[in-house]
Amino acid sequence: NAGVMQNPRHLVRRRGQEARLRCSPMKGHSHVYWYRQLPEEGLKFMVYLQKENIIDESGMPKERFSAEFPKEGPSILRIQQVVRGDSAAYFCASSPSSAYEQYFGPGTRLTVT
Amino acid sequence: GQQVMQIPQYQHVQEGEDFTTYCNSSTTLSNIQWYKQRPGGHPVFLIQLVKSGEVKKQKRLTFQFGEAKKNSSLHITATQTTDVGTYFCAGVADYKLSFGAGTTVTVRA
Repeated sequence: NAGVMQNPRHLVRRRGQEARLRCSPMKGHSHVYWYRQLPEEGLKFMVYLQKENIIDESGMPKERFSAEFPKEGPSILRIQQVVRGDSAAYFCASSPSSAYEQYFGPGTRLTVT
Repeated sequence: GQQVMQIPQYQHVQEGEDFTTYCNSSTTLSNIQWYKQRPGGHPVFLIQLVKSGEVKKQKRLTFQFGEAKKNSSLHITATQTTDVGTYFCAGVADYKLSFGAGTTVTVRA
């Protein structure tokens, strides 16, 4: 059973460009979570999604950030007009249900130049 | 909202010594989970505690859930270099998982 997959693993964007991060959950998991981690810091919750629904986006900045988890295909975290402060590791996790243990992907390391 | 605090933030340990990291929640939890993240890696689930006062062991790691279900601890005995990394607790209340800031462990050989 393949684990959570994220791509790309590393992404370099110039200021003002768009970043698109993809996450394919584990087979059978319909709950997806996105976290941001700055160097030497903890995991900051961004958004929780189920198929076609955003359940909780309380951790996501209201501007420039959006997330989706369509009926078919991976979950996407989209950052428009990136700024240097967006440079971080973005982790996706999936679980079979809420409050279960979460399985993390390898992360996407975003660098904004 | 729910807050989960972890102490200490950093733990420098001599190889072979024991240490404990603590996790405290501002609200009563339905369960608590522990994760480990190696340097440069991603968080990996270690264990889940559900019952009040529950104690679980994984080799040299002992996890405990407080009687009031608002705190937890992770105790590691005879620390090894393989224990290096950041240990996160995550408290579950309602459906939501809230991560502590983590305890980053370094080991002196």
